Amino acid sequence: QKEVEQNSGPLSVPEGAIASLNCTYSDRVSQSFFWYRQYSGKSPELIMSIYSNGDKEDGRFTAQLNKASQYVSLLIRDSQPSDSATYLCAVNIVGNTGKLIFGQGTTLQVKP
Amino acid sequence: GAVVSQHPSWVICKSGTSVKIECRSLDFQATTMFWYRQFPKQSLMLMATSNEGSKATYEQGVEKDKFLINHASLTLSTLTVTSAHPEDSSFYICSASGRLAGYEQYFGPGTRLTVT
Repeated sequence: QKEVEQNSGPLSVPEGAIASLNCTYSDRVSQSFFWYRQYSGKSPELIMSIYSNGDKEDGRFTAQLNKASQYVSLLIRDSQPSDSATYLCAVNIVGNTGKLIFGQGTTLQVKP
Repeated sequence: GAVVSQHPSWVICKSGTSVKIECRSLDFQATTMFWYRQFPKQSLMLMATSNEGSKATYEQGVEKDKFLINHASLTLSTLTVTSAHPEDSSFYICSASGRLAGYEQYFGPGTRLTVT
């Protein structure tokens, strides 16, 4: 079983809709969770971090964490074509020196 | 804040030569830097983790004698690809983590290496 799993997609949503990206992880003691956005040909950009159960909102982005279910998600409200990118879920494994385990990424396509 | 730069942004070299890539944290002290490689349409692959002033820790399958990493200061790490071959052509990305909450990593813009 992969340590961090994401559906590779592509996930296609119309402009203005809510895009929901999901991620599951296998290590129960993970404490830090991150969402990165990567445009084609570019490096990843940190868009959200979350450390405790519940929701965390930042503009159009909401990260949701459920440690009991080992599940973290990212909601993008009012999706825009400029949100079209690959979204990477990353998890910090306790005991490592800050090393992150990345999922394979979900490709999001927002259609005008 | 949390800006990381890389130089060069792209490089073309001949097979058998060596290439050095620099990674700098511009506005924070990076106690740990990470080097990744990414092939087209694939996910990030961690190559090594380097802490300031100590030897890098390489991931399984990464040749430490081929990919030399130096992290001499809290703002600079370098990756040298020695005796480069066409199969080393890839997108190399560094990230930096400092005295920030929760191990957030900030990525540089990447270096595209082409070996001819």
